[in-house]
Amino acid sequence: AQTVTQSQPEMSVQEAETVTLSCTYDTSESDYYLFWYKQPPSRQMILVIRQEAYKQQNATENRFSVNFQKAAKSFSLKISDSQLGDAAMYFCAYRSGLGKLIFGQGTTLQVKP
Amino acid sequence: DSGVTQTPKHLITATGQRVTLRCSPRSGDLSVYWYQQSLDQGLQFLIQYYNGEERAKGNILERFSAQQFPDLHSELNLSSLELGDSALYFCASSPREGGRETQYFGPGTRLLVL
Repeated sequence: AQTVTQSQPEMSVQEAETVTLSCTYDTSESDYYLFWYKQPPSRQMILVIRQEAYKQQNATENRFSVNFQKAAKSFSLKISDSQLGDAAMYFCAYRSGLGKLIFGQGTTLQVKP
Repeated sequence: DSGVTQTPKHLITATGQRVTLRCSPRSGDLSVYWYQQSLDQGLQFLIQYYNGEERAKGNILERFSAQQFPDLHSELNLSSLELGDSALYFCASSPREGGRETQYFGPGTRLLVL
């Protein structure tokens, strides 16, 4: 069975600085998708970025980028120029061809002014 | 706003009772997923429907059931409620089924069982 692990329960970053959130996963599948979701205090789940496993190029969305290391089964999220609005819980998620999302435990990000 | 709506936003009920949570997917989305977020279990997949048919089951209790109607809205029924069922229940939708599709989440229904 696939598993997703986020080893950092909490992280903090100074406003305008860069922070990296870690995620590792375990799977025997070759075709899958990886996601980062953001959950602010409102509890809404917001898609931040997605990565297709067959793509070698790391995905980028404005200030958010990933470091996808397929062999190492690692999928970290880098947030550049951190803003106060980035404070939230971040979930790494794995999705296979079957469709369901498997989530990590989450990392709470604090942004200090 | 993801375009996925869920009602009610909050629900307070007693143990042993039965509740129904409703989800309307984004316009045109055929696939609906239900997830449960609790403090001890984290975010867990419950069940998936595609165009009215059940497609996959996760860690869904036998006391829970769901269906997707012809107009594509979905309902999650929780019965014989226990204190441990208190959680945030999310519905997500995607245009089709399959791993390529991005799931968009609704705002969730917060259930408190007293």
